[in-house]
Amino acid sequence: EDKVVQSPLSLVVHEGDTVTLNCSYEVTNFRSLLWYKQEKKAPTFLFMLTSSGIEKKSGRLSSILDKKELSSILNITATQTGDSAIYLCAVGLNAGGTSYGKLTFGQGTILTVHP
Amino acid sequence: DTGVSQDPRHKITKRGQNVTFRCDPISEHNRLYWYRQTLGQGPEFLTYFQNEAQLEKSRLLSDRFSAERPKGSFSTLEIQRTEQGDSAMYLCASSLRAGTSTSGNTEAFFGQGTRLTVV
Repeated sequence: EDKVVQSPLSLVVHEGDTVTLNCSYEVTNFRSLLWYKQEKKAPTFLFMLTSSGIEKKSGRLSSILDKKELSSILNITATQTGDSAIYLCAVGLNAGGTSYGKLTFGQGTILTVHP
Repeated sequence: DTGVSQDPRHKITKRGQNVTFRCDPISEHNRLYWYRQTLGQGPEFLTYFQNEAQLEKSRLLSDRFSAERPKGSFSTLEIQRTEQGDSAMYLCASSLRAGTSTSGNTEAFFGQGTRLTVV
């Protein structure tokens, strides 16, 4: 059975701290790994990673995939209270040589940033 | 707003009643997915459509659940004879199938969800 595991499950930091969130996976026919941020509503897309070792950056957020270790990390530098959210990792699979849309999600990391 | 739209946002129903949710995907997206999320968990896959064809259903989707996407645009998810265990957030997402996007992007975009409470 495909499995995605995130750690830590929750994290409390102060503004300005740097955090690293982890995601590991055991799936067949890996295609991509995605990170989402979920506040009180829908998950919003952050990054999609398909190639190992290539960092993706967006402002204070960055992420990298390690296919050898079957894992990814999401870094947030200079955290702000607005970064408080659940961060979800998901893995997309290949099927028959084409992208298979189903995503398998981890349980999420709850990040709380105090002023 | 050109994002994924879900209706209603909240639904409270009595056990045993039937409920139906609607999802309108991003207009050019040919794939549509339904997920269910309970408190403290990540979303769990329920089913997905490519155009009007339902290509996969999760084991989570009992025979009380049915989903349709009749014209390959909006989709409905119906739950018959609701049970308290059906209480959850029902999320819809849409994406482009790989090979149909000129940008190569196939990530899924989520709607705001329908929160179902069965009392």
